[in-house]
Amino acid sequence: EPEVTQTPSHQVTQMGQEVILRCVPISNHLYFYWYRQILGQKVEFLVSFYNNEISEKSEIFDDQFSVERPDGSNFTLKIRSTKLEDSAMYFCASYPSGTGSYEQYFGPGTRLTVT
Amino acid sequence: SQQGEEDPQALSIQEGENATMNCSYKTSINNLQWYRQNSGRGLVHLILIRSNEREKHSGRLRVTLDTSKKSSSLLITASRAADTASYFCAQSEYGNKLVFGAGTILRVKS
Repeated sequence: EPEVTQTPSHQVTQMGQEVILRCVPISNHLYFYWYRQILGQKVEFLVSFYNNEISEKSEIFDDQFSVERPDGSNFTLKIRSTKLEDSAMYFCASYPSGTGSYEQYFGPGTRLTVT
Repeated sequence: SQQGEEDPQALSIQEGENATMNCSYKTSINNLQWYRQNSGRGLVHLILIRSNEREKHSGRLRVTLDTSKKSSSLLITASRAADTASYFCAQSEYGNKLVFGAGTILRVKS
């Protein structure tokens, strides 16, 4: 069964450094999302992406965040200058559209640790 | 404001018992979904109920939706140790983003 993959599974970085989290959504899906989950807290929406542009973003998704779909398969989240409070699990999700099912398919997550 | 709040926050039951988790939300929904998360892992979709549905079943799962009370419940029948996980409700708004609740941590003791 097709699945969403994410790399790396764990990223450790120093405060102020740039990180790129990578996701490969399911191939025929059209909507892509990033969510994050700070340890012990709820999963929070960051951004949605459709037709090569951001369709919605949350208040969390400020200027230090950006997303890109550089080719036909990858979907990336870049954090330009990481802060301690960016430490969290970051989940990528995708959704096919047009199927009548609103289920989103989540990747296993990337644990980002900012020191 | 908090949306999609679950209760209880934690639930511990014996294998074979039923587990009921509740979720409340504040805004209008297109549909409400339940997800499961094993410790440190990704989210797995369990079941979706549309705003015009009142009850839905999938295997040992039963979901109800009361739009007048803006609440939903997830019932897991005949629980197993493997059901131990966190369970989240997520309201789906137009635009398809999911707004998650805080989750219920379920522990099933064998």
